[in-house]
Amino acid sequence: GDSVTQMEGPVTLSEEACLTINCTYTATGYPSLFWYVQYPGEGLQLLLKATKADDKGSNKGFEATYRKETTSFHLEKGSVQVSDSAVYFCALSDLSSSNTGKLIFGQGTTLQVKP
Amino acid sequence: GAGVSQSPSNKVTEKGKDVELRCDPISGHTALYWYRQSLGQGLEFLIYFQGNSAPDKSGLPSDRFSAERTGGSVSTLTIQRTQQEDSAVYLCASSKETLYNSPLHFGNGTRLTVT
Repeated sequence: GDSVTQMEGPVTLSEEACLTINCTYTATGYPSLFWYVQYPGEGLQLLLKATKADDKGSNKGFEATYRKETTSFHLEKGSVQVSDSAVYFCALSDLSSSNTGKLIFGQGTTLQVKP
Repeated sequence: GAGVSQSPSNKVTEKGKDVELRCDPISGHTALYWYRQSLGQGLEFLIYFQGNSAPDKSGLPSDRFSAERTGGSVSTLTIQRTQQEDSAVYLCASSKETLYNSPLHFGNGTRLTVT
């Protein structure tokens, strides 16, 4: 079945460091890909998305490119801030195979940014 | 309300008792999802409602779990004869249409502890 695999956390960085959180997926069709973020004490919220191969999603300085050839959707940011500390979830939705629209999530990666 | 509302925020129950978890989605959102988040795990899909269509129950882990959505709005997730492995955070989310068009909006969840 469809699945999402993320790099294990926690990831601890100093402020202004570069961030990459790896995400790979398995899907039978042509999924849309998402990154959701959960800040401390808050609900999950959409960070960015890409709906087809080679699309780049971006928001708040974060970027991720949909790579069909490597089945990846790695999250990147050039300079992290303390306020980026959160749990990041990679997810896919494959309407072509399931026709239900459900999101399948990875296990989440905790990012801690120190001043 | 402004967002997805879940109640209670915390629930402690004894093994073998039944529990009901409530979700009030954003007004006008036709799609409603239930997920479960266990410690160290990703978000596990449970059930999905879309408009008047039959719900996708493929993620419910056993017949002790059931959910209904009345009048296309409020949803209740019921767990009968709770077990300790049911302890988790139960998240509800809603969206306007399908995931291709609108993101999921999550509630803050109900933390269920089965003693």
